[in-house]
Amino acid sequence: NAGVTQTPKFQVLKTGQSMTLQCAQDMNHEYMSWYRQDPGMGLRLIHYSVGAGITDQGEVPNGYNVSRSTTEDFPLRLLSAAPSQTSVYFCASSYSRQGRNSPLHFGNGTRLTVT
Amino acid sequence: KNEVEQSPQNLTAQEGEFITINCSYSVGISALHWLQQHPGGGIVSLFMLSSGKKKHGRLIATINIQEKHSSLHITASHPRDSAVYICAVPLFSGSARQLTFGSGTQLTVLP
Repeated sequence: NAGVTQTPKFQVLKTGQSMTLQCAQDMNHEYMSWYRQDPGMGLRLIHYSVGAGITDQGEVPNGYNVSRSTTEDFPLRLLSAAPSQTSVYFCASSYSRQGRNSPLHFGNGTRLTVT
Repeated sequence: KNEVEQSPQNLTAQEGEFITINCSYSVGISALHWLQQHPGGGIVSLFMLSSGKKKHGRLIATINIQEKHSSLHITASHPRDSAVYICAVPLFSGSARQLTFGSGTQLTVLP
């Protein structure tokens, strides 16, 4: 099992450019989520999904879109990058049963710089 | 909304020392997570617990639901334990779908 695979590991964008951060898991997890990690702050939830076709907003969703067309994939889209989106992004997944989740499995992160 | 506080923010210990990291939260929860972030940035889940105590090797996690407090203990600490330790709880009571995270405890174990 590869676990949770995130690509790319590093990315530099100019303000206004768009890009998609990829996240894939091979554990048949229902729950997938995206977080950003900024210096001095805890991880913050951007968007999450509890299954194919179902997504919802987290604490800091503005400027980001997601979709979940398959159980395996949960891409995060930045439509028009801003310097405030410079951060390290993590994708995570877990089993989800009746509102309860199992321990999270994290990807290795994507370091994004917006100039 | 749940608020999470971790202490201490930074901790330096000598190899072999017993380590305690604390996590307090404000709203009743179904389960609490302890995570470890390696110096290279990768994050792994250490424990998910809803009551009592769990042990894995030299790591022990305890939770007191009434006090809204959890501790992570490391016995016989080693330099390879140097990492950031993060606790996480549901953002809202009754929902495990949205987690809120503490800002982490940076642990450095010196040889």
